[in-house]
Amino acid sequence: QVQLQESGPGLVKPSQTLSLTCTVSLGSISSGDYYWTWIRQPPGEGLEWIGHIYYSGSTIYNPSLKSRLTISIDTSKNYFSLKLSSVTAADTAVYYCARSGLRSGIGYWGQGTLVTVSS
Amino acid sequence: IQLTQSPSSLSASVGDRVTITCRASQGISSYLAWYQQKAGKAPKLLIYAASTLQTGVPSRFSGSGSGTDFTLTISSLQPEDFATYYCQQLNSYPPTFGGGTKVEIK
Repeated sequence: QVQLQESGPGLVKPSQTLSLTCTVSLGSISSGDYYWTWIRQPPGEGLEWIGHIYYSGSTIYNPSLKSRLTISIDTSKNYFSLKLSSVTAADTAVYYCARSGLRSGIGYWGQGTLVTVSS
Repeated sequence: IQLTQSPSSLSASVGDRVTITCRASQGISSYLAWYQQKAGKAPKLLIYAASTLQTGVPSRFSGSGSGTDFTLTISSLQPEDFATYYCQQLNSYPPTFGGGTKVEIK
């Protein structure tokens, strides 16, 4: 079954750009049945949907993050990425990458990676 | 769309029947999913389309509802069920989550 793994810096300075990559294995990111999704969870808090990308490159972002957010995909290398600019302490969270169906929920998740925004 | 879960926490014993409610601020048809999250782990999909059990999820979990009111029921709570549960609406963007319900051991 498909596996997802987040990677990237665990510490980012305020005002800089947070960059994460999600490597997908045991499944093709080019499958037209799924969306490749980012979700985050601040320590001790609930879940926030960040956005998703389709294999074609089509994206939908959470309006609360849209002005700072870029999600991209590389089907040749089977990974997708997140970039969040101008970060503040409020962006400190565990970031999850995941595979979701349009109406069938988020069936596969990465293990999550904690990103701390601090100088 | 805002999702309000109740209660925010509950204490229950092994074998108890547990019901968690999720109310949407507007109608979402049956486009609702439920997740279980254990400490330090990623959430796990339990139910989608309000009542469809994800493959491999025990049958003691069930979901119901449509429109604005939904429930997740655990028919007989097991030790491994102590966790936090989230609902998520999939009717419109962004797909928002409820605030969570923490199920603790009594």
